[in-house]
Amino acid sequence: AQSVSQHNHHVILSEAASLELGCNYSYGGTVNLFWYVQYPGQHLQLLLKYFSGDPLVKGIKGFEAEFIKSKFSFNLRKPSVQWSDTAEYFCAVRIQGAQKLVFGQGTRLTINP
Amino acid sequence: ETGVTQTPRHLVMGMTNKKSLKCEQHLGHNAMYWYKQSAKKPLELMFVYNFKEQTENNSVPSRFSPECPNSSHLFLHLHTLQPEDSALYLCASSQGVVSEGTQYFGPGTRLLVL
Repeated sequence: AQSVSQHNHHVILSEAASLELGCNYSYGGTVNLFWYVQYPGQHLQLLLKYFSGDPLVKGIKGFEAEFIKSKFSFNLRKPSVQWSDTAEYFCAVRIQGAQKLVFGQGTRLTINP
Repeated sequence: ETGVTQTPRHLVMGMTNKKSLKCEQHLGHNAMYWYKQSAKKPLELMFVYNFKEQTENNSVPSRFSPECPNSSHLFLHLHTLQPEDSALYLCASSQGVVSEGTQYFGPGTRLLVL
């Protein structure tokens, strides 16, 4: 069965540090990839998505993610985090042409001012 | 993003109660979804509706009964729930299910079953 792994359950950084959150999936075919964010007390929001084309995808709030097909990975990055980036981040994968979106367990990010 | 609304936001119910969760989307989408978010577990898809027709039931127990009267509204009827059903229930919508339909989520209903 298709699965999504987010390696880090809780990441704590200081402001201005660089961020990389890992996401790996287990499916050999064509996939659509997503990163969602859930700020405290708010609903899930789309950060960025990849369907095809340039594997380096830029999203909102300075986030980007790189799809590396050979590694089945879609890691999320931000060069310099801010306190307001404190949130839970979810990676999700959908087999192209399928309905089901499969989520990872989420990574809680805490930014210390 | 206020395109998907859910009511109530919080719900406490006993195991013998019957209650319903409501979801409404204002985005003109034609697909709607129910997800369950439990502590320390990945978000789990429960049901998918496309143009009011249920197209996926992810082995959900029959004590959860979805209803989709039109493309803008989705309900989840609850009866005889168990304490382990306590979770955040999220609704989402998208334009299409198998094309490039990005899912937009509501704020969720936090359910506590006593």
